[in-house]
Formats: sequence, C-alpha cells, structure tokens
Amino acid sequence: QVTLKESGPVLVKPTETLTLTCTVSGFSLSNARMGVSWIRQPPGKALEWLAHIFSNDEKSYSTSLKSRLTISKDTSKSQVVLTMTNMDPVDTATYYCARYVVVTAILDYWGQGTLVTVSS
Amino acid sequence: DIVMTQTPLSSPVTLGQPASISCRSSQSLVHSDGNTYLSWLQQRPGQPPRLLIYKISNRFSGVPDRFSGSGAGTDFTLKISRVEAEDVGVYYCMQATQFPHSFTFGPGTKVDIK
Repeated sequence: QVTLKESGPVLVKPTETLTLTCTVSGFSLSNARMGVSWIRQPPGKALEWLAHIFSNDEKSYSTSLKSRLTISKDTSKSQVVLTMTNMDPVDTATYYCARYVVVTAILDYWGQGTLVTVSS
Repeated sequence: DIVMTQTPLSSPVTLGQPASISCRSSQSLVHSDGNTYLSWLQQRPGQPPRLLIYKISNRFSGVPDRFSGSGAGTDFTLKISRVEAEDVGVYYCMQATQFPHSFTFGPGTKVDIK
C-alpha cells in the first residue's frame, strides 16, 4: 500500500525558512521508475507545482520559486525534504507531496497535505 | 512554461445528468516520444487531489467508467456521463509533457449540484 505523509510546522514567521518532510511507504525512493514532487495550494486557490526529485537524485524546480527552494531525499529513511526560504504570507498554503511514475508521467498517490500559515 | 486554461470555472449540474469540462494548453502537449501527458485530477472538499485520467483518456485504477477523457494537441475534455453526489468537487487538468522542466495545472473547475 502506497502512502505519503507530510509533516512540518503549522505556523512560520515572515522571512523564516520552512522545512517540510514527506515520509513515504509502499515504494522505495531508489526505484528508478518513481520520483516525488511537492505541490502547494493556497486556500481556495489552484494547485502549484514546486519541486521534484528523482531516484538518481536529479532535481527540478518551479522556475518562479527556484531561488528559494531546495529538495533532497534520504532513501534510508524514506523521506523527501523540501526547504523554502524567506517565507511570506502569500506562501500560506496546504503543501502536498505526491508520487510520480516515470513511464506514465502521472502523480498517482498524494499525501493528505499539511497547512502552513505564514504570520507574525 | 505551458499555460493551462479550463472552461467553465463553475458547473452546476443536476444529479444523473452529464457534465463536461474543457481544458486548453498554450502549446501542444504532444511529447517528442509521441505520447500526450495530460491528466485529470479530482479534489473533493477537504481532500487531496486524486488522479482520475492520464495520457488523455486512460482511467486510473478504481475510477468509475462514468469518467472519460478525450482530446488531442491543445484541446482536451473530461466528461462525466451521469453525475453522482460524490462527484462534487474541483477538477484540474495537468500537463506533464514539459516535465521535468515543469508540471502545470489548470485553474480548476468547480462541479456542484443544482
């Protein structure tokens, strides 16, 4: 059974750095046919893709947020970590991680998401 | 980056009646490998997105056959043959043709019951 679970702070202050962890089960982060993406959704708004990491540690970032994002993984812990620097109230959103299947180019399993509020 | 648009943005429907959502991309979604990586996702209220359709018309595991996808190039459609109460939510199209450069989602179409 494939599951993904996001964890991290509920509240961060403006200018702080956000660190989120996605813990996966049911598949390995070393599986060459898989990867993990982070996507966010501001309250009442649409989905926005943020970053992706492949099994070979290749990374990809949203063009608009690239300077603020870092994605990494710890295969032994089955965890993918996303950091976002210089947080602003407009970054308030539910942050999701999702599994990517290379062959079909789909995000097939999603975590429940974690709501992060940016406020002083 | 490819821009995805959807119409309508809101679709009140009668239970048992069909519903249709259109999605258009700013450039062709045909990949150099010949595939078109256009997916549809459903997000029920308070839930994470759920994959419905991939590569234009393939239903994901467990998706009811009242959901179908069609289209080509830059124009795509999601159809629900007979809307049920559990279909209420927001539907997003998503392109992965440009991946790993980017995934792009449409703005979403809200489907609710009249």
